[in-house]
Amino acid sequence: SQKIEQNSEALNIQEGKTATLTCNYTNYSPAYLQWYRQDPGRGPVFLLLIRENEKEKRKERLKVTFDTTLKQSLFHITASQPADSATYLCAFSNDYKLSFGAGTTVTVRA
Amino acid sequence: SAVISQKPSRDICQRGTSLTIQCQVDSQVTMMFWYRQQPGQSLTLIATANQGSEATYESGFVIDKFPISRPNLTFSTLTVSNMSPEDSSIYLCSVEDPRTRYNEQFFGPGTRLTVL
Repeated sequence: SQKIEQNSEALNIQEGKTATLTCNYTNYSPAYLQWYRQDPGRGPVFLLLIRENEKEKRKERLKVTFDTTLKQSLFHITASQPADSATYLCAFSNDYKLSFGAGTTVTVRA
Repeated sequence: SAVISQKPSRDICQRGTSLTIQCQVDSQVTMMFWYRQQPGQSLTLIATANQGSEATYESGFVIDKFPISRPNLTFSTLTVSNMSPEDSSIYLCSVEDPRTRYNEQFFGPGTRLTVL
């Protein structure tokens, strides 16, 4: 069955450093993947989408890579800020249905 | 982008009762989705609700337990029937907004359900 795994441990980093989150998948060949941010008590908010034929996508301080050989996506937050503290979810899809990972909680210390 | 509201935001219910959750969108959308997010776990798709047709349920979810209505292009309801403590979860609705660049999904704030 399809499986999506994100960093199992929460990530605690110092302000200004780069946070790198990992999302691995098995038994799946997604056409694209999306990254969402979720704050406590709120619904997920879309951040970035990357397609299977794209290696890298950037948006401001965020960067996503997609390696279909390794079956892995990396999500980077550069020059991190305390406001970046949240849970980050990866989601894969071939159509309108999204399959989510469990999320990685990031805490940025001032 | 679509703006979504849900009612209620939270509720505490007794075992064996039912709760209906409402989802309202500020624009007309074709596809609406209902998810469940159990504590510390990922979002799991319950069903897809299209206006004018029966909802399509994912494996492990059935209409008798989670009946869904979709009377128009801006509104949907999800009922959690005959609740048990295992139904305690956050329930989220989302929509795919075709006006956006990536057809990403927009989520409501969620309904936190506790079943005693």
